[in-house]
Amino acid sequence: ETVLTQSPGTLSLSPGERATLSCRASQSVSSNYLAWYQQKPGQIPRLLIYSTSSRATAIPDRFSGSGSGTDFTLTISRLEPEDVAVYYCQQYGSSPLTFGGGTKVEIK
Amino acid sequence: EVLLVQSGGGLVQPGGSLRLSCSASGFTFSTYPMHWVRQAPGKGLEYVSGISRNGGSTYYADSVKARFTISRDNSKNTLYLQMSGLRIEDAAVYYCVKTLAGYSYDAFDYWGQGALVTVSS
Repeated sequence: ETVLTQSPGTLSLSPGERATLSCRASQSVSSNYLAWYQQKPGQIPRLLIYSTSSRATAIPDRFSGSGSGTDFTLTISRLEPEDVAVYYCQQYGSSPLTFGGGTKVEIK
Repeated sequence: EVLLVQSGGGLVQPGGSLRLSCSASGFTFSTYPMHWVRQAPGKGLEYVSGISRNGGSTYYADSVKARFTISRDNSKNTLYLQMSGLRIEDAAVYYCVKTLAGYSYDAFDYWGQGALVTVSS
């Protein structure tokens, strides 16, 4: 099983700042099949990024993904108050599919 | 518009059984593998189970293998999760999810509203 470790656990930034979220895999993610999801308080998760760097439908371009192999990053270029949420990475390159533990993004 | 409408959650005693349903609309259900993901209260997302387009292949997390059974009825556009031998640690909100591009292992682009399963005596 591919274990995904996300860091930091919590990120507290001011509006307009750049947020960098990390997702590290215990083994190489096949075909870089890594996705990112956003879950706002009280809401269901929403797909942001798939295949490491492709934005899902209607996702603003301030969200971007990068990485390969075992190290992946979600970047929010200019943080907005509506971005307060928990962000999860997921690998779907091998079975069982797995999720990271999440990074909580807060606004200072 | 893609919709995944779930039903079947509730309170069950340890060792009991429950069946979740997920009614799909707005896309050609039979051409997409489907999955279940759960989230314990205040916790992160956990993969539970998946099923191929025609139901011929199924996938399970080790934590639920041999206790949960995923199935689908393409004539009714409905996904199911039969849960038996329920444990305290199975208590969670269960989400039905649609795959993005029709692959068995895929990102999930649509999520149901969630069904709360409470396991308690």
